[in-house]
Amino acid sequence: DVKVTQSSRYLVKRTGEKVFLECVQDMDHENMFWYRQDPGLGLRLIYFSYDVKMKEKGDIPEGYSVSREKKERFSLILESASTNQTSMYLCASSAGGGYQPQHFGDGTRLSIL
Amino acid sequence: AQTVTQSQPEMSVQEAETVTLSCTYDTSESDYYLFWYKQPPSRQMILVIRQEAYKQQNATENRFSVNFQKAAKSFSLKISDSQLGDAAMYFCAYRRKRDDKIIFGKGTRLHILP
Repeated sequence: DVKVTQSSRYLVKRTGEKVFLECVQDMDHENMFWYRQDPGLGLRLIYFSYDVKMKEKGDIPEGYSVSREKKERFSLILESASTNQTSMYLCASSAGGGYQPQHFGDGTRLSIL
Repeated sequence: AQTVTQSQPEMSVQEAETVTLSCTYDTSESDYYLFWYKQPPSRQMILVIRQEAYKQQNATENRFSVNFQKAAKSFSLKISDSQLGDAAMYFCAYRRKRDDKIIFGKGTRLHILP
């Protein structure tokens, strides 16, 4: 079974801090994704990556950056955390090819105080 | 731009009954993929069922089936013999063939009444 592991289930940070959310997958998937999930808004794509050192902006990239130095790891970075970034963050991975499903991690519930 | 609309934010169904969740999407593409994902409370999101747009036959997975109407751009999910474990948030998703970007609807929360 594919396993997508997010480093923290719950995280509390302060406004202005630099925050790192880590995601690791164990199935050698090419594609990795970061979403944020908010009530009534569904899942919104922040960034995605097709390969190592490659990244593409999603629908809401402002205030975020990503890093993919190794194929199995995809990091989401909040450069200067703000209260409106309090949310549930979901990482996903998939093999190449549009019919391949995405496999999700458990999510990180991030609170910015 | 592609959009995915789930018009029912919340639904309830009696255990053992059948329920249909609706999903419509907007696209100018002719070849794409459609998915339904399930997110149980405080648990991981998992794939329920998927459909390739060029296939006319509706996908089925045990108690789950879809009604795919390409011309109407509709992709509804039918759950037969509903069970308590089906209680979850259900997301409809669209993925175009030419890249791997996926667009999710806002979700439908399904309650199962014992």
